Amino acid sequence: AQSVTQPDIHITVSEGASLELRCNYSYGATPYLFWYVQSPGQGLQLLLKYFSGDTLVQGIKGFEAEFKRSQSSFNLRKPSVHWSDAAEYFCAVGTFLGGATNKLIFGTGTLLAVQP
Amino acid sequence: GAVVSQHPSRVICKSGTSVKIECRSLDFQATTMFWYRQFPKKSLMLMATSNEGSKATYEQGVEKDKFLINHASLTLSTLTVTSAHPEDSSFYICSARAPWPENTEAFFGQGTRLTVV
Repeated sequence: AQSVTQPDIHITVSEGASLELRCNYSYGATPYLFWYVQSPGQGLQLLLKYFSGDTLVQGIKGFEAEFKRSQSSFNLRKPSVHWSDAAEYFCAVGTFLGGATNKLIFGTGTLLAVQP
Repeated sequence: GAVVSQHPSRVICKSGTSVKIECRSLDFQATTMFWYRQFPKKSLMLMATSNEGSKATYEQGVEKDKFLINHASLTLSTLTVTSAHPEDSSFYICSARAPWPENTEAFFGQGTRLTVV
């Protein structure tokens, strides 16, 4: 069965420091992978996605993620964190039907706190 | 990107009453929409897939008669929580599948916080 694991429930980093959020997936076929960010009481905003091609994916707000098939990972990174990055981050694997996205399976999320 | 609007953003209702939540795709037609539920400090769990003009497909363990989904047009899907109870209190989020050729992506609404008292 498909699943997504985000090992870190809560991470605190200093503003300006680098960030890496971990994500591991289990999926029987080629995975379609996503990272979303959620601010308190808000919906989800897509940061980036991977379908195929270059395994290093660039997203919005200076985020990037690298797909590593051998490790079944899709870790999210940012070289320098800003206070406004404090939020909850969700990794997801997409299942597809007929070439279109069917549903997303989410990890449990990582809550990022940024300290001055 | 495409915009999905969810209404209301917050609702408080009395136990035993029904609540309707709307999910609209504002600038595109969405043949498929998804309804998720998010428990406190938990991930999002898919409740059902809503297809325009047909019955919704519910995930295992989701009560169809309690969570009524209607997708009557290409821009609107509704979730009605019937005979709500305090355990139905949660954050409900919808998403809409983008039209081709971006149909590998789904756009999310801002969510509805339901509190049943």
